Amino acid sequence: GEDVEQSLFLSVREGDSSVINCTYTDSSSTYLYWYKQEPGAGLQLLTYIFSNMDMKQDQRLTVLLNKKDKHLSLRIADTQTGDSAIYFCAERGSSASKIIFGSGTRLSIRP
Amino acid sequence: NAGVTQTPKFRILKIGQSMTLQCTQDMNHNYMYWYRQDPGMGLKLIYYSVGAGITDKGEVPNGYNVSRSTTEDFPLRLELAAPSQTSVYFCASCLGQGTYEQYFGPGTRLTVT
Repeated sequence: GEDVEQSLFLSVREGDSSVINCTYTDSSSTYLYWYKQEPGAGLQLLTYIFSNMDMKQDQRLTVLLNKKDKHLSLRIADTQTGDSAIYFCAERGSSASKIIFGSGTRLSIRP
Repeated sequence: NAGVTQTPKFRILKIGQSMTLQCTQDMNHNYMYWYRQDPGMGLKLIYYSVGAGITDKGEVPNGYNVSRSTTEDFPLRLELAAPSQTSVYFCASCLGQGTYEQYFGPGTRLTVT
């Protein structure tokens, strides 16, 4: 079945770039998403990429999609303490009504 | 717009008790979802609905029931609470077209003892 995998933890120094990686299995994915969850809150859409794109840039965020390897990454430039959160990769695949979420990557920032 | 609202924020249940988690959205979204989030496990889909009167099972529906009598409301019912249902529950909604962006409520933290 459809699956989305990502590593559980990432620690970076403040001011460095963070790169969060994700792999998925559904080759019919149309949209891929990055959601951010801050402590005690629900998820909020950070950015998304349509499956016919390779890259999308939005201010400090860069999303790269390698459709051949089914690999998605999120790069956060100049990581700040406010970027501390759990980041979820998600994909909308063959079932139009459902989105499959990964387990989330907890990003922590070192001073 | 209030977006997606959930009540209650916290609840402690005894084993075997029942309760309903409420979810309301004011964005006229067609699609609504219930997820549970266990520590380190990401989100698991319990039930979803693509419109009033239509509901479907997700990945982990056992022990839960839903109804969708109106576009705005999508309550989740736990009939006989079990410790395995201790979790944080999120409701979400989506327009059902375009980017299919999901909007999440703030969550309900449920403990069953």
